[in-house]
Amino acid sequence: DADVTQTPRNRITKTGKRIMLECSQTKGHDRMYWYRQDPGLGLRLIYYSFDVKDINKGEISDGYSVSRQAQAKFSLSLESAIPNQTALYFCATSADRTFPEQYFGPGTRLTVT
Amino acid sequence: GQQLNQSPQSMFIQEGEDVSMNCTSSSIFNTWLWYKQDPGEGPVLLIALYKAGELTSNGRLTAQFGITRKDSFLNISASIPSDVGIYFCAGGYTGTASKLTFGTGTRLQVTL
Repeated sequence: DADVTQTPRNRITKTGKRIMLECSQTKGHDRMYWYRQDPGLGLRLIYYSFDVKDINKGEISDGYSVSRQAQAKFSLSLESAIPNQTALYFCATSADRTFPEQYFGPGTRLTVT
Repeated sequence: GQQLNQSPQSMFIQEGEDVSMNCTSSSIFNTWLWYKQDPGEGPVLLIALYKAGELTSNGRLTAQFGITRKDSFLNISASIPSDVGIYFCAGGYTGTASKLTFGTGTRLQVTL
């Protein structure tokens, strides 16, 4: 079984709808991250969480919100989806401050029409 | 936000050839990571480097942590078709917030 899972894998939604992307991990890591990937722009950090009570904005948090329901679960919400939020979204985890390596889920392809 | 410069942006090579790519930054990092992303999948960690000058191998892949701590290099020897994908570098810091800064990627395509 995959260590980091994301649901759904693909989603098409309409402008103005609220949607939630979910991430679960079995790696036992405290730290979790949400990234957005657009062609030619690499990975950009949306939000990150170092434990259940800690939530931090990344470089592109506007239009997004997150919830850390448990150590293993971190959800990303688009409050009112717009077409320029069409992208690939990745969840990642890391163990602790000693080793910054991050481990990624398979991604969610989101299309906003 | 800062992103790292990777070059080349894309490359076509023939099977069996060696490949070199690099990543440069205006900032110093104390960790360099290399990831590979297959189409439709998330990035997978290939190699992690923790020390300036360090050279680390993973099968046919070899990566080096530049002496200035502002760059890193990845080499792939004797490329095969399954090497196709996008390779990302990432710079980070141990002992602190552990956020990573990612490069824009090198797209590798291998022809038979």
